[in-house]
Amino acid sequence: DTGVSQDPRHKITKRGQNVTFRCDPISEHNRLYWYRQTLGQGPEFLTYFQNEAQLEKSRLLSDRFSAERPKGSFSTLEIQRTEQGDSAMYLCASSYTEGNTGELFFGEGSRLTVL
Amino acid sequence: AQSVTQLGSHVSVSEGALVLLRCNYSSSVPPYLFWYVQYPNQGLQLLLKYTSAATLVKGINGFEAEFKKSETSFHLTKPSAHMSDAAEYFCAVSVDSSYKLIFGSGTRLLVRP
Repeated sequence: DTGVSQDPRHKITKRGQNVTFRCDPISEHNRLYWYRQTLGQGPEFLTYFQNEAQLEKSRLLSDRFSAERPKGSFSTLEIQRTEQGDSAMYLCASSYTEGNTGELFFGEGSRLTVL
Repeated sequence: AQSVTQLGSHVSVSEGALVLLRCNYSSSVPPYLFWYVQYPNQGLQLLLKYTSAATLVKGINGFEAEFKKSETSFHLTKPSAHMSDAAEYFCAVSVDSSYKLIFGSGTRLLVRP
């Protein structure tokens, strides 16, 4: 088990471009979470999936953001028409529901810089 | 609504000194509480968690925390700081079946030689 992996680790893009991040959770985990973390702040919840179903979305997840988990395994987070305010670290976490005591396992994050 | 407040965005201690990082939570139901650590440009690593068992919780790297319901607190302590403890520490609460975590704004721990 290699833990939660995220790709790419760093992305620099120009304002207005689209970007996509990928998250591969721990293999037996059925829940997957996306968070955003800006400099000097704690992670903020964006959305989460149980298997392929997206069960909750934060108000932070504007119309330019879309997340998918098509087969209940990996997930993608796409940001369309990026803005400078989207610059942040995007963190993915996973967990399982059976016997869970609430711990989330985090990846190392994908850092986005919008110029 | 659930929330977490971490008092002190920066805490500086000497190597070997006591570490105390403060966390207060707000929740209308019994919470699960967590402390995570984050090193630069890395993800979050779980230090310890409280899930309604023992109120004094021991974690990794010599850290521990005590759940005090009357004070709605979950402060993190370590008897003797090490240089390798320098990092950002986040307190978090989980209160519903989604198990999503609500994080505090974090406390950066600086350890002086």
